[in-house]
Amino acid sequence: EDQVTQSPEALRLQEGESSSLNCSYTVSGLRGLFWYRQDPGKGPEFLFTLYSAGEEKEKERLKATLTKKESFLHITAPKPEDSATYLCAVQADNYGQNFVFGPGTRLSVLP
Amino acid sequence: NAGVTQTPKFRVLKTGQSMTLLCAQDMNHEYMYWYRQDPGMGLRLIHYSVGEGTTAKGEVPDGYNVSRLKKQNFLLGLESAAPSQTSVYFCASSYFTRRSGNTIYFGEGSWLTVV
Repeated sequence: EDQVTQSPEALRLQEGESSSLNCSYTVSGLRGLFWYRQDPGKGPEFLFTLYSAGEEKEKERLKATLTKKESFLHITAPKPEDSATYLCAVQADNYGQNFVFGPGTRLSVLP
Repeated sequence: NAGVTQTPKFRVLKTGQSMTLLCAQDMNHEYMYWYRQDPGMGLRLIHYSVGEGTTAKGEVPDGYNVSRLKKQNFLLGLESAAPSQTSVYFCASSYFTRRSGNTIYFGEGSWLTVV
């Protein structure tokens, strides 16, 4: 069965304490893996798209990587404004133009 | 450039009432989607459209109907609201290019409570 899971469910970091969020997927025919940031009361905001194993993308303190079974969102020296829920989503051959989302990781960065 | 706009933002309905959520996008995207987001369940696809005049069922379509009469609009209807439809609803749109693939953009959400 196709699945997208994320870990941990919640993560609390001190400002400056680097860490990684995980997104694992079991789909066949991956066409893209997407990372989004969602602030409370807001819609998800697009961060990155990764298409093939070995690919990496960076934006400010965030770096996303992709392997054949999982993706990591690395957060380097986080700041309190990085606090949000981070969602990953996949698009696969079985889904057509649809996206399947993971449950998200709630990140809190304490000053 | 407004992106994806949803109305209304908040609504309270009584069980059995009907309503329509409106979604408009100004990015000329072909694909549009309605998701619901519930605690611990993530975003689940209700219905989607791959172009004007087309609609298709997603993961959780029961109790909802949609229409896409114009390319820029995607309407989500609840014919007889139930408490189980209390949720946050997100509209989204996407486009595909050979160069950058497919990227989905979301609206700000509509909070619906059915009492």
